[in-house]
Amino acid sequence: GAGVSQSPRYKVAKRGQDVALRCDPISGHVSLFWYQQALGQGPEFLTYFQNEAQLDKSGLPSDRFFAERPEGSVSTLKIQRTQQEDSAVYLCASSPLISAGELFFGEGSRLTVL
Amino acid sequence: DQQVKQNSPSLSVQEGRISILNCDYTNSMFDYFLWYKKYPAEGPTFLISISSIKDKNEDGRFTVFLNKSAKHLSLHIVPSQPGDSAVYFCAASGGTSGTYKYIFGTGTRLKVLA
Repeated sequence: GAGVSQSPRYKVAKRGQDVALRCDPISGHVSLFWYQQALGQGPEFLTYFQNEAQLDKSGLPSDRFFAERPEGSVSTLKIQRTQQEDSAVYLCASSPLISAGELFFGEGSRLTVL
Repeated sequence: DQQVKQNSPSLSVQEGRISILNCDYTNSMFDYFLWYKKYPAEGPTFLISISSIKDKNEDGRFTVFLNKSAKHLSLHIVPSQPGDSAVYFCAASGGTSGTYKYIFGTGTRLKVLA
């Protein structure tokens, strides 16, 4: 399809494992965002890319979280040494704009850390 | 500190009647607001937006009202339909948060009764 694609849709990890979540944005979209949504909460900003440049990573909760978008298209969110509090849905969104405008969200990757 | 608040976690409305979803914000520098709808196991989808230079924006059955002095916005759905049953999030951007960083509320679950 032509929308934002995320994989895997569901991931179960044992505490201490590393995980990688992939986002394939809409082709040509300049901006890419990662959000974390805990149960019963709204999405919380993690990081923002404009093309391949990571312009804001102020929302990453710890240095165990790392995101990249090396060629300005596909992005990967990596979480090292996962902990139970990392359990959440990780949403990726893209936008054709570099400022305010509609974000197009993927379906999310639900991470459960046991 | 919750900068965007949706104080009603849930709302039930009869089919055909008006649904009013409310959102309050604390940062007077926010200048762009959006409403998203989310079905279970899907990513949020954009509904409607409004910039701070307007006090009303309408799109079909959906109207968003912005009261800057009260730092309050509301989403009106008229007439409500069973397919509108979903979780609705408001989001805001602007000021020191940046034009790209959206701050989301915690959501209101709307149930439209047939």
